[in-house]
Amino acid sequence: ETGVTQTPRHLVMGMTNKKSLKCEQHLGHNAMYWYKQSAKKPLELMFVYNFKEQTENNSVPSRFSPECPNSSHLFLHLHTLQPEDSALYLCASRGGAGSAGETQYFGPGTRLLVL
Amino acid sequence: AQTVTQSQPEMSVQEAETVTLSCTYDTSESDYYLFWYKQPPSRQMILVIRQEAYKQQNATENRFSVNFQKAAKSFSLKISDSQLGDAAMYFCAYRSAQTSYDKVIFGPGTSLSVIP
Repeated sequence: ETGVTQTPRHLVMGMTNKKSLKCEQHLGHNAMYWYKQSAKKPLELMFVYNFKEQTENNSVPSRFSPECPNSSHLFLHLHTLQPEDSALYLCASRGGAGSAGETQYFGPGTRLLVL
Repeated sequence: AQTVTQSQPEMSVQEAETVTLSCTYDTSESDYYLFWYKQPPSRQMILVIRQEAYKQQNATENRFSVNFQKAAKSFSLKISDSQLGDAAMYFCAYRSAQTSYDKVIFGPGTSLSVIP
């Protein structure tokens, strides 16, 4: 819908599992973001990458490990999560010239349930 | 640190009427961007409108307009001629204009219902 795709769309995992979330943007942007969206809470910024370099780590627990191999792809590796990590994980990208480059484009999100 | 506040967790509006969503923010910077994003139920978050702080003129996009009061640090969204498709969560957001600054700060959101 907006040039940012996320897979999988839904994920159920146990606390001992290892899984990865994938985000891909087809917009030629240079910055990519991971957000956590929990019910009744504000959107929480997790990580930001700009030109493949991590520029923000918002005190995220080490059980979340981001990877940005290039400007089009962003991963979030998950390991030994807790039930309170269940949430919608949103990816966004940003880039381009001028003030229009300030707009973030969001993916549809991955709905994660940790059992 | 910058913060964004949306004091109305929920709002409702009759179809075809006008509604205003409130947003206030706190910053010591003079140059920044403000945004309103819309997140319909089970659909992707999309930009509604964007305002550059250095511009005095309020941004407008069709039925959507903002009232940007820089001194008061207020950035409200007005939706005119409300339609059923306007029902969604609306998030106000702030980003510094410093080129080295990537963080975008979101408010807690306002859930808007449109009554037929």
